[in-house]
Amino acid sequence: DADVTQTPRNRITKTGKRIMLECSQTKGHDRMYWYRQDPGLGLRLIYYSFDVKDINKGEISDGYSVSRQAQAKFSLSLESAIPNQTALYFCATRGTGIGEQYFGPGTRLTVT
Amino acid sequence: GQNIDQPTEMTATEGAIVQINCTYQTSGFNGLFWYQQHAGEAPTFLSYNVLDGLEEKGRFSSFLSRSKGYSYLLLKELQMKDSASYLCAVSGAFSGNTPLVFGKGTRLSVIA
Repeated sequence: DADVTQTPRNRITKTGKRIMLECSQTKGHDRMYWYRQDPGLGLRLIYYSFDVKDINKGEISDGYSVSRQAQAKFSLSLESAIPNQTALYFCATRGTGIGEQYFGPGTRLTVT
Repeated sequence: GQNIDQPTEMTATEGAIVQINCTYQTSGFNGLFWYQQHAGEAPTFLSYNVLDGLEEKGRFSSFLSRSKGYSYLLLKELQMKDSASYLCAVSGAFSGNTPLVFGKGTRLSVIA
C-alpha cells in the first residue's frame, strides 16, 4: 500500500463550487505539505503543517484553506473554485530532522 | 530571499552522460535534494547532499559546493526511461522545519 495517498485522483468541477482534496499518510510523519504544480512554474507551496495544532501559509495560500484533522490527515479546500486553480496538486510528508519529502500521487483538478 | 535556478530543458543521447546544474541563493542552508519526476507523476527522491563533494548512487551522482551555491546531478549511461524532469530543492535556514524550496525543474529528453 502507498505511504501517502490522495483522493480524488482526478476531479472536474465548476467555477464557484467548493471542493476538498484529501491526503492521508501511514509514515507517522508530523510534517505535511500541500503544493500545486503548473507547467513552467514548478512546485509552489500552498500550506504546511508541523503537527495537528500548527498550520502555516505558503507562498500561494490565497483562495485555499486547510485542515489537519489528525497526524495522518491533511485536507486542502478550495472555498470557491476558479479556473486558474486548475493544476496538479501534491501532498507531501516529511519526518523529523533533515530528511527527504515523500509525495503523494497527485490530484489533477480542472475548474471549468 | 530564496532563489533556485536550473536550466529549463536539456536533450541527451541514449548511453551518454548528462550534467544538470543547479545554483541557489538561500537564507541558511541545511542540505540540497534532487528529485526525479516523470510527466503526470509524483516527484521521487534521488539524492541528498549536505557536505561539499560528490555522492554516488549507481548511475546517478550529485555534487555540492556550498561556497559557490552550486550543485549538479550527473546521469551516466542514459536510458530512455531517464526522460523526466529533475528538480533541485534546498532546505534553508538552520532547522528542518523550513519547507524545502524547489527549483522549476529541468526537463530532460533522452533520444536514440
